[in-house]
Amino acid sequence: QKEVEQDPGPLSVPEGAIVSLNCTYSNSAFQYFMWYRQYSRKGPELLMYTYSSGNKEDGRFTAQVDKSSKYISLFIRDSQPSDSATYLCAMKVDAGNMLTFGGGTRLMVKP
Amino acid sequence: KAGVTQTPRYLIKTRGQQVTLSCSPISGHRSVSWYQQTPGQGLQFLFEYFSETQRNKGNFPGRFSGRQFSNSRSEMNVSTLELGDSALYLCASSFGDLTDTQYFGPGTRLTVL
Repeated sequence: QKEVEQDPGPLSVPEGAIVSLNCTYSNSAFQYFMWYRQYSRKGPELLMYTYSSGNKEDGRFTAQVDKSSKYISLFIRDSQPSDSATYLCAMKVDAGNMLTFGGGTRLMVKP
Repeated sequence: KAGVTQTPRYLIKTRGQQVTLSCSPISGHRSVSWYQQTPGQGLQFLFEYFSETQRNKGNFPGRFSGRQFSNSRSEMNVSTLELGDSALYLCASSFGDLTDTQYFGPGTRLTVL
C-alpha cells in the first residue's frame, strides 16, 4: 500500500462545476501538505500549501486538511476548461524537502 | 524572476550508457531536489542538495547520483542506464527552510532504448 493514495480519475466535469479532489495518507508524521497542478509535458506548479488542519482559500481554490482522518482535499469552484490538468497532492514531514506524492488525478473540464 | 531551468529538455540514450542532467534553481534558492516521474510509479523523490551537501536521499540504487555547485546549480547522473530509467526527471528548488515550498522546472524527458 502506498503512503499517499489518490484516485487517478479521469474526472470529467462541465464548465462551472465544483470539483473535489482528495488524497488519503497513512503516515501520521506528515505535517505539510501541498497541491500541485501539472499540465501535459510541463513540470508541476504549486497551487496550495498548508501546514495545519482546517481550510485555506485562494481565489477559486480551497485546500482542506483533516489530520485526524489523514485526509486532504482540494476544491475548485467555477471550474474552467483551463483547469484541465493532472492534480497532484504532496506532503512532507517537518525536516528537509522530501515530498511524497499521490499518483495524481486527471481532471477534464468540458466547455 | 526566472524560474527553474533544466537542460537538456529531451534526451535519448541506449542501455548501458550514462547520462548527466542539469538544473539551475531560482535565483537565491539554495536547495535543489530531484524527482523521477513515470506513469507506473508517479513522482518519486531521488535526492536533495542544500549548500553543496546531500541532505536527503530517496530509495533509488547507487547508479543515481548528484551534486551541487557553489552557485547552487545541480547535476544528476545516471550510470549504466536501464530501460526502466526512461522517465521525466524533474528538478525543484527552494530557499531550503523546513516550511519552504518547492518550485519545479519543466523536466528532462529521458528515453532509454
